[in-house]
Amino acid sequence: EAQVTQNPRYLITVTGKKLTVTCSQNMNHEYMSWYRQDPGLGLRQIYYSMNVEVTDKGDVPEGYKVSRKEKRNFPLILESPSPNQTSLYFCASKNRQGWREKLFFGSGTQLSVL
Amino acid sequence: LAKTTQPISMDSYEGQEVNITCSHNNIATNDYITWYQQFPSQGPRFIIQGYKTKVTNEVASLFIPADRKSSTLSLPRVSLSDTAVYYCLVGDNNAGNMLTFGGGTRLMVKP
Repeated sequence: EAQVTQNPRYLITVTGKKLTVTCSQNMNHEYMSWYRQDPGLGLRQIYYSMNVEVTDKGDVPEGYKVSRKEKRNFPLILESPSPNQTSLYFCASKNRQGWREKLFFGSGTQLSVL
Repeated sequence: LAKTTQPISMDSYEGQEVNITCSHNNIATNDYITWYQQFPSQGPRFIIQGYKTKVTNEVASLFIPADRKSSTLSLPRVSLSDTAVYYCLVGDNNAGNMLTFGGGTRLMVKP
């Protein structure tokens, strides 16, 4: 089954404790992206990757890091989480081929930073 | 990237047709229009995509006028399970940032 898998589904942590949210897709997609969703603000893009070893900032990259060492994985790293990073996070992927392409989203990771 | 404007919310009743319009006045020649549906605590899901005129699939129809400055998502005979947030996106296949989501339209379907 084609899917984007995020882990964990829920995460509670404390300020300053490094964490990683994993994202994996099994569709051989070149493009992957991370979004955060906050009430009243819709989905905002954090980082995206056009291919292996190619990443770029989205709209709200501050406080986040990503890496793309393999095509299928795109982890989101919070080196020193702060309470304002409490949010619902989504990973997404898509194939770059052609304009008739759509984003596939993971189920989300609800992060709480205390 | 073209900015989009949608109504914040809409109400409807079961069995009715719902039309959600999105404005994208500065849409570029290479831009295409895509709609996504999102249920609470789930990731958005692709509904339909188009470039011009009309596109129809098993879920919805998308109407795009000749000037492409707006588009209308049409959901025929909605049910309670269509209650969700609907996002209109406008993007260029070749743009690095690809797709930026706006605030979406919260559709509430009542019995």
